[in-house]
Amino acid sequence: GAVVSQHPSWVICKSGTSVKIECRSLDFQATTMFWYRQFPKQSLMLMATSNEGSKATYEQGVEKDKFLINHASLTLSTLTVTSAHPEDSSFYICSATTGSGGTDTQYFGPGTRLTVL
Amino acid sequence: AQSVTQLDSQVPVFEEAPVELRCNYSSSVSVYLFWYVQYPNQGLQLLLKYLSGSTLVESINGFEAEFNKSQTSFHLRKPSVHISDTAEYFCAVSPFSGGYNKLIFGAGTRLAVHP
Repeated sequence: GAVVSQHPSWVICKSGTSVKIECRSLDFQATTMFWYRQFPKQSLMLMATSNEGSKATYEQGVEKDKFLINHASLTLSTLTVTSAHPEDSSFYICSATTGSGGTDTQYFGPGTRLTVL
Repeated sequence: AQSVTQLDSQVPVFEEAPVELRCNYSSSVSVYLFWYVQYPNQGLQLLLKYLSGSTLVESINGFEAEFNKSQTSFHLRKPSVHISDTAEYFCAVSPFSGGYNKLIFGAGTRLAVHP
């Protein structure tokens, strides 16, 4: 089946530093990748959608300059949290799909837990 | 805008008992409907989805869900659960858009199956 990996699985950083999270589709080419954020006991909230070679589309309320998304290839997307602060601590999850329509299945990574001290 | 409400945050049940996980949604446009399952330390996996046609959809492991348009619900059921069904279950909708398949999730229901 389609597998999506994330690296690292968890990261702790100091306030003010930047953190990069990778999302890879291991056995398929991902036309579209998505980044979600999940707070404890809450639902996944879509942050942004990215297509290979294009600028990401951010959801309302998500700071583009703080959460930098790069979709450099059909198998790799990265999320960089710039100048991280404690309120950015969360569980970040990516997903990937081979299509762009509403019926295409999204395949999810296992998530990355970010803790900012 | 769309929203998804999962009415139960936790559902404890004994093995071989039936279970229903409730999901209601709100949307001003037509939507596709999904149930995802997340086992411990794993990513979300698609369990089943409703796109069109028969309002009753089934998964390969015995779960089924029925789309009820008038009640805007998509409840998930299984007649007899196993210990291995213990997981977090997420209901989600995706609006008809012709573009990106944006998913809006509920807060999740933790199903705990006890022996």
